[in-house]
Amino acid sequence: IAGITQAPTSQILAAGRRMTLRCTQDMRHNAMYWYRQDLGLGLRLIHYSNTAGTTGKGEVPDGYSVSRANTDDFPLTLASAVPSQTSVYFCASSDGSGNEQFFGPGTRLTVL
Amino acid sequence: SQQGEEDPQALSIQEGENATMNCSYKTSINNLQWYRQNSGRGLVHLILIRSNEREKHSGRLRVTLDTSKKSSSLLITASRAADTASYFCATDAWDNYGQNFVFGPGTRLSVLP
Repeated sequence: IAGITQAPTSQILAAGRRMTLRCTQDMRHNAMYWYRQDLGLGLRLIHYSNTAGTTGKGEVPDGYSVSRANTDDFPLTLASAVPSQTSVYFCASSDGSGNEQFFGPGTRLTVL
Repeated sequence: SQQGEEDPQALSIQEGENATMNCSYKTSINNLQWYRQNSGRGLVHLILIRSNEREKHSGRLRVTLDTSKKSSSLLITASRAADTASYFCATDAWDNYGQNFVFGPGTRLSVLP
């Protein structure tokens, strides 16, 4: 793989179910980010990690959790999905220090 | 609340014209970045300007930063139909967990042939 990948591409999920969105990068970037994008609201940061083993809360962290066990992977988990979590989710990475972010192709999630 | 806010929300111009988009933010920053997003795709980085810089160029792109007004502008010269996309500014902020970024809602640019 080259760059940053996300899986699945899209998912329809029943409310109350647990879901993990996967994100993997092969650029050895220290920092990784999860955003959700909703029409008219741009991208909102959910959680981020500046290095393996550390995570931080973004603007809209409620209902989501993340882990950063290694440099390459940064999964996002919805413990009990709700319809308001219907969105397009983007994962991104950067080599830190405020440099440019590289974005994955996104996961379109629908919670019914 | 969001750090960056772009205006206009939407802009429609003819091919060959220049397009100017503005971004305002609320707190002190280390740098400001502009990104582009084609419909349904991930964002692509265009240019980064640091807080101690006032202007930066990259091809047909020109970015200015006025930290006293907490604002930035992105100018695309001699626009092309392929420039049709949404453009976002992103500002950084530091908290107890480290550095993170906040994106504005974006400007939708349509370049008509």
